[in-house]
Amino acid sequence: QKEVEQNSGPLSVPEGAIASLNCTYSDRGSQSFFWYRQYSGKSPELIMSIYSNGDKEDGRFTAQLNKASQYVSLLIRDSQPSDSATYLCAVIPPSSGGSNYKLTFGKGTLLTVNP
Amino acid sequence: DAGVTQSPTHLIKTRGQHVTLRCSPISGHKSVSWYQQVLGQGPQFIFQYYEKEERGRGNFPDRFSARQFPNYSSELNVNALLLGDSALYLCASSSKGAKNIQYFGAGTRLSVL
Repeated sequence: QKEVEQNSGPLSVPEGAIASLNCTYSDRGSQSFFWYRQYSGKSPELIMSIYSNGDKEDGRFTAQLNKASQYVSLLIRDSQPSDSATYLCAVIPPSSGGSNYKLTFGKGTLLTVNP
Repeated sequence: DAGVTQSPTHLIKTRGQHVTLRCSPISGHKSVSWYQQVLGQGPQFIFQYYEKEERGRGNFPDRFSARQFPNYSSELNVNALLLGDSALYLCASSSKGAKNIQYFGAGTRLSVL
């Protein structure tokens, strides 16, 4: 089983709709979870971090964490064409060999927002 | 404040050559991590350095090495390049106590021919 899995894309939504991106992780005990956005040919940009169960909102973005189900999601409300990018879910598992910064990434989900 | 800076931006090498990639962290950040991202995949962890000491190593061969300097900048070295080393190499910096948040530089795109 892969450590971090994301729902297979690509995902296409119309402008103004809610985009829902999902991620599961295998290492129970993981404590830090992140969503990064990556435009084509660019580097990852941090959108959200979440550490405890529940929802965390920042503008049009909401991250949801359920540690019992080992599930993280990202909702993007009022999606805009500028949100079109690959969204990467990243986790810091407890089995990081002493490093507090070993991010383990999923493959990413390509989101396209159609005008 | 400047973000994480990486150099060079692009690099073309041939098989068997050696390459050195450079990274300067955000001012005040003492931790630097290196990642490799091949096309269509998420970044993969290579190394983490904190206070000039290696704190973590990913599943990469010994051809990959790194170091961190007293000013917290870092170098990633790759020897005996293979075609499969072609990738985007990302450097990320972080600050202790900042909840493990890492900020990425623009990356170095390495092509091995």
